Amino acid sequence: AQTVTQSQPEMSVQEAETVTLSCTYDTSESDYYLFWYKQPPSRQMILVIRQEAYKQQNATENRFSVNFQKAAKSFSLKISDSQLGDAAMYFCAYVGANNLFFGTGTRLTVIP
Amino acid sequence: SQTIHQWPATLVQPVGSPLSLECTVEGTSNPNLYWYRQAAGRGLQLLFYSVGIGQISSEVPQNLSASRPQDRQFILSSKKLLLSDSGFYLCAWSVAGTDTQYFGPGTRLTVL
Repeated sequence: AQTVTQSQPEMSVQEAETVTLSCTYDTSESDYYLFWYKQPPSRQMILVIRQEAYKQQNATENRFSVNFQKAAKSFSLKISDSQLGDAAMYFCAYVGANNLFFGTGTRLTVIP
Repeated sequence: SQTIHQWPATLVQPVGSPLSLECTVEGTSNPNLYWYRQAAGRGLQLLFYSVGIGQISSEVPQNLSASRPQDRQFILSSKKLLLSDSGFYLCAWSVAGTDTQYFGPGTRLTVL
């Protein structure tokens, strides 16, 4: 069965600095998708970035980028030039057949 | 563009009362639809998903049920709420055959 593990319940970063959130997963599938979602205090889940497992190139969306290591089953999120609005819960997710498996989340605090 | 709506936003119900949460999607046809529950401080748990009208798959046995009476409408119901049903309920949609899910604003349910 697929599992997603986020080993950092909480992280903090100084405004304008860079932070990396960790995620590992377990699967026997060779083709899958990985996501990072952001959940601000409003609690709506917002898609941050998406990675296709068959692509070796790491996905990038503006200040957000991932380090995808397929062999190690690792999928970390790097946030550059952190902003106060980045403060939220961040969830790593894996897509299998018709559903998502979510990690337990990392709460990111941005210090002004 | 596509939008997803959920209502109510907040609900407080007594134990043993019925439940009906509604989710609708605009701007797309034949979407895949999903219901998730998020307990306090935890990740998301998939409850139900649907690939078409009247087609519902349940991921977790419980006293909840789901229905899809129309193409873009997904309803989560219960005949008798339990205290353990309290949580944040999120509806999501995806384009059929694709992997990215987009979430609604959620419903906060408190069962007293």
